[in-house]
Amino acid sequence: DIQMTQSPSTVSASLGDRVTITCRASQSIVYWLAWYQQKPGKAPKLLIYKASSLESGVPSRFSGSGSGTEFTLTISSLQPDDVATYYCQQYNTYWTFGPGTKVEIK
Amino acid sequence: QVQLVQSGAEVKKPGASVKVSCKASGYVFTDYFMHWVRQAPGQGLEWMGWINPKNGITSYEKKFQDRLTLSRDTSTSTAYMELSSLTSDDTALYFCARVRPNVALDYWGLGTLVTVSS
Repeated sequence: DIQMTQSPSTVSASLGDRVTITCRASQSIVYWLAWYQQKPGKAPKLLIYKASSLESGVPSRFSGSGSGTEFTLTISSLQPDDVATYYCQQYNTYWTFGPGTKVEIK
Repeated sequence: QVQLVQSGAEVKKPGASVKVSCKASGYVFTDYFMHWVRQAPGQGLEWMGWINPKNGITSYEKKFQDRLTLSRDTSTSTAYMELSSLTSDDTALYFCARVRPNVALDYWGLGTLVTVSS
């Protein structure tokens, strides 16, 4: 089974800061990785698919990169609406979510 | 517009089964696989399985293999998730989500809360 890890578990940053979240897979998943944003009490929202493709309607301050086993989600300039938990998900072999990273405003 | 409307909250006793529905609209139901994901209170997301609405073929996460049944009714564009032998650990918000081929889970239902309590 492919295991996913994320770091950090929580990030606290100021408005306008650049925020980077890392996701690692226990084996290569090529580029079959998605990122989701989830706000409390809501369903997750797709941000990035195939590691670096931006979903339609998602602000361009979100970007994804990586391949193989290491991936990153970057928010180029943190906005109040970005307060949420972010999950990576692999879909190379079955589907597995990472444990999540909570993003807060400092 | 694409919508996934899930059934209402359920309260079940340990050992019972629960069946959650997910009615799709705004797209051709049989053209997109449907996945199920759950989230225990205060916890992360857990993938459960998928169904191909076109032919009913399913795939389940190993830990649910023995007690999860995914099904569909193409006449009503509805997907179903049935989980049996419930324990308190199954208390969670259950989501259905559509997968766009080679993309990821692009539309989600609002979730159905299942509470297991004696």
